[in-house]
Amino acid sequence: DIQMTQSPSSLSASVGDRVTITCRASQRINTFLNWYQQKAGKAPALLIYDASTLKSGVPSRFSGSGSGTEFTLTISSLQREDFATYYCQQYNTYSPAFGQGTKVEIK
Amino acid sequence: EGQLVESGGGLVQPGESLRLSCAVSGFNMSNYWMHWVRQAPGKGLVWVSRINIPGTNVAYADSVRGRFTISRDTAKNTLYLQMNSLRSDDTAVYYCTREMFLNWFDPWGQGTLVTVSS
Repeated sequence: DIQMTQSPSSLSASVGDRVTITCRASQRINTFLNWYQQKAGKAPALLIYDASTLKSGVPSRFSGSGSGTEFTLTISSLQREDFATYYCQQYNTYSPAFGQGTKVEIK
Repeated sequence: EGQLVESGGGLVQPGESLRLSCAVSGFNMSNYWMHWVRQAPGKGLVWVSRINIPGTNVAYADSVRGRFTISRDTAKNTLYLQMNSLRSDDTAVYYCTREMFLNWFDPWGQGTLVTVSS
């Protein structure tokens, strides 16, 4: 099975900061990498699919990049509503896998 | 986009059974593969199970294989998860979600909490 590793596990940032989260796959996955945002007590919500395609309606301050085994999620200017936990996810034929999550907290 | 609404969670004792339902509206579930994903309290997301369009091909995480059964009723546009021999480590919020293009999940239901405790 393909394992996903996110870093950091948590970070503290201020409104307006640029934030970058990294996700590494244990095997090459082309660009089959997706990002979700989960706010406290809520269900996950898709942000980015295929490594870099922003879901319709998601603010343009979110962006994704990468291919192969290393991927990044960037928030260009952190807003108060962005404080949440972020998960990467890949899906091979039999077993989807999520990263362990990155919690973005207010500094 | 559609809406998914889970139900059936609750408090059960170890060894007991529970059936979760996921009612789908806004899209025809029979056109999509569907999945269950769970999240233990304070922990991350873990994939549980999936079912293909005709319901003939299913898959499970190692931790639930042999105890859980995923199924679908296309006439009712509803997804199910039958959970038997429940253990304390099955305690989690269970989400149903739609698979898109063998790749990402969207949308997600609001989740239903299953608590296994004596």
